[in-house]
Amino acid sequence: NAGVTQTPKFQVLKTGQSMTLQCAQDMNHNSMYWYRQDPGMGLRLIYYSASEGTTDKGEVPNGYNVSRSTTEDFPLRLELAAPSQTSVYFCASSEGSRGGNSPLHFGNGTRLTVT
Amino acid sequence: GDSVTQMEGPVTLSEEAFLTINCTYTATGYPSLFWYVQYPGEGLQLLLKATKADDKGSNKGFEATYRKETTSFHLEKGSVQVSDSAVYFCALARYGNKLVFGAGTILRVKS
Repeated sequence: NAGVTQTPKFQVLKTGQSMTLQCAQDMNHNSMYWYRQDPGMGLRLIYYSASEGTTDKGEVPNGYNVSRSTTEDFPLRLELAAPSQTSVYFCASSEGSRGGNSPLHFGNGTRLTVT
Repeated sequence: GDSVTQMEGPVTLSEEAFLTINCTYTATGYPSLFWYVQYPGEGLQLLLKATKADDKGSNKGFEATYRKETTSFHLEKGSVQVSDSAVYFCALARYGNKLVFGAGTILRVKS
């Protein structure tokens, strides 16, 4: 039972490079999320998708892009990496897109360093 | 806007000690409240939740009660184990099941 799978686990980029963080879930969940985790700040929502074909900005979307062309996949794109994007990135999914009762299932994270 | 405030850590306890991690929130209405736990090298996983005032969530010996009057959701456990060492996050849910997290509290349990 894979759950939410994130790749890669670690990545080092130079300023200005681009890359895509991959996220896939096999639970047929409607909703998917990208969070970044920084020391002392908890997790902050970058982007959110309520269902295939829809995406919405979260709290800290600048410098990122997402797409949701399938139910299973929700890739996060960094177009011009900056040192401020050094962080641990978590993808999550949940069954429902309304209310607050569906627990989020998290991947194991991608640790990104931008030099 | 909505926010969650947790006590700062790290919290260091001896095995079998009583644990309290304080959590207060600011939000409009009555959001669902959650505690998530993150073990080293892993993603977060749901520990417990409460969806309305006076609800008590419980799991694996941990408990938390949704207190509307004090806007709090403190996490407690009567006797901690070394295996409870982790980072604990308090969170509230907004429309669209989008969670707002606190900063996290590191718990270290010594044998």
